[in-house]
Amino acid sequence: DAKTTQPTSMDCAEGRAANLPCNHSTISGNEYVYWYRQIHSQGPQYIIHGLKNNETNEMASLIITEDRKSSTLILPHATLRDTAVYYCIVRVARLNSGGSNYKLTFGKGTLLTVNP
Amino acid sequence: DTGVSQNPRHKITKRGQNVTFRCDPISEHNRLYWYRQTLGQGPEFLTYFQNEAQLEKSRLLSDRFSAERPKGSFSTLEIQRTEQGDSAMYLCASSRIRQGTNGYTFGSGTRLTVV
Repeated sequence: DAKTTQPTSMDCAEGRAANLPCNHSTISGNEYVYWYRQIHSQGPQYIIHGLKNNETNEMASLIITEDRKSSTLILPHATLRDTAVYYCIVRVARLNSGGSNYKLTFGKGTLLTVNP
Repeated sequence: DTGVSQNPRHKITKRGQNVTFRCDPISEHNRLYWYRQTLGQGPEFLTYFQNEAQLEKSRLLSDRFSAERPKGSFSTLEIQRTEQGDSAMYLCASSRIRQGTNGYTFGSGTRLTVV
């Protein structure tokens, strides 16, 4: 799986949009970008994923650059409960039994602190 | 769907003792994974099961570690002769085969402290 680079930490004011960047310059054509977050003392939680088109769900939006070398996770109206470590992961999506693409390779992620 | 359940949530043990953790995955999920997370780091893959078969073990999983999933449902992770370096959060996750692209569901983990 391709390596990702994220800032160590970021701050955001409550109610504002939080924009979390991720660089994945060695991403392959069949690798998706996944975002997970981990709130203190809990397991990681899936947020969103995408291949090349921008994606939106009830939690967040994912913007992937045209060359797919970087992406941004957007939390449109951050709340105090969004304070967490956010992980950007790239991997082949299909959970085939024959390959090793069932693994998630986590980096250290970005600690997002939402301030009141 | 009650999510992935892990027990106990916390375990404090003396060095040299054996410990066992349990994971109950989402019932229709045939894949189950164990990860370990130390302070300040992201989770690291340890092993995974497809139904009852253990299909891969990481090099992180020394001979003191053993994982089982006897009936393809719940799983246990045992650590024998614990060492202080085993102190970590042990996370379990589950997924379906060919679930698509939505990834896993993680449990809340078992935090092990070896004193």
